[in-house]
Parts: sequence; C-alpha cells; structure tokens
Amino acid sequence: ETGVTQSPTHLIKTRGQQVTLRCSSQSGHNTVSWYQQALGQGPQFIFQYYREEENGRGNFPPRFSGLQFPNYSSELNVNALELDDSALYLCASSLGTGGIEAFFGQGTRLTVV
Amino acid sequence: GEDVEQSLFLSVREGDSSVINCTYTDSSSTYLYWYKQEPGAGLQLLTYIFSNMDMKQDQRLTVLLNKKDKHLSLRIADTQTGDSAIYFCAESMGGGATNKLIFGTGTLLAVQP
Repeated sequence: ETGVTQSPTHLIKTRGQQVTLRCSSQSGHNTVSWYQQALGQGPQFIFQYYREEENGRGNFPPRFSGLQFPNYSSELNVNALELDDSALYLCASSLGTGGIEAFFGQGTRLTVV
Repeated sequence: GEDVEQSLFLSVREGDSSVINCTYTDSSSTYLYWYKQEPGAGLQLLTYIFSNMDMKQDQRLTVLLNKKDKHLSLRIADTQTGDSAIYFCAESMGGGATNKLIFGTGTLLAVQP
C-alpha cells in the first residue's frame, strides 16, 4: 500500500469528450508525475507537477493538461478524446523533483469508444 | 536517446532463481529502478540502484549494474508463484530537475509450480 490513491478506477468515454482523472499523493510528497500505459507497453511520462507548477513534460499534445492543488493532489485533464487515449493512467508521488523513490497509485483504466 | 529494452518473457520453476535483464541507453542516468506490476494493478517499487554502484542486495533480490555495457539485471532467488508478474526496469532522467522515469516494455515472469 503506497498511500497514493487515484479515482476513478475505471471509466468509459466517447471519442471527442473530455475527462478528468484525480490523484492524491502520499503524505508529505509534494511532487506528482503522470504516466500513460498503453496495453502491453511500459508507462510513458506525460508531465510532472511540483508545488502547483508544471515541471517537465513528455511528448504529449496540449490537450493533455494538469493541475496540482495546495494539498499536492493533482488532476489530469484530457480534451477531445481519441481512441488511442485508451490506456491505464498512473500517477506517482515523490518528495521533491529529484526524489529517489516514486510511488505509484493503482491507476485509472480509461476506455475511449 | 531514451530507450530501455527488456526481453518479453521468462518462465521458471518454483524454487529456481530468475534473472531479468535490461539495457538502457543514457549513461547520465542517476538511478535505475525495478518495478513489479501484477494484473490490473499499479506499479510496485521493488528496488533501485545508484549509478555509481555495481550491486545491491535486498532479501531475495539482487541488482547488478554494468555501467560500461549499460546493462541492468534483477535476480530473484527462490522464485515463488507469487512472483509471477510483469517486471519493468526504468532509468531516471533529470536528476534533480524533472525526475522522469523512462520505462522498458516489461518482462512477463511466469513461475511454474
């Protein structure tokens, strides 16, 4: 049990819709990173938030956006959903941007139909 | 470039040792990690090694790092059926800036009773 919780665990959306995924970081951790894991692949880095600011971004289009709140919880928003956005979305919390240990939540399984 | 490679599948008998291999490309990586993912679950941090170390042992787990060849391995002693899962190696990029993780595609470990 890592103390990182994500919601919802599963959801189904229609192409073109928008979705918001949520993550509560482990107590004391001020950094949240988001990853996308397509079926049969390793996780791919989307972006990282540190003290409510985006601190690094992977190769994802601008329709992927995020927020971090003062309590360090975070949201991932995806606009104009495409079929290829179907994946497991994982958040990881760590202490500081260079934190050695990153602990993952159980993920949100998004299916776009 | 950023690329982490793993073999796709490993089958062992219960009680035997398992060795999962990984190669990475970025010699500036500061930490290298092993994560375990069970079906339908998030990622569990198993262990990590600092790039200036050759070996790290943690109970049944032994990590070997050959920095010259950019080769990382995870040995699991006395493998149990509960060890059946997908194992990901990951390298840390950023080291103090954005600590994003670059993951391999994962190795499916099947433990036969």
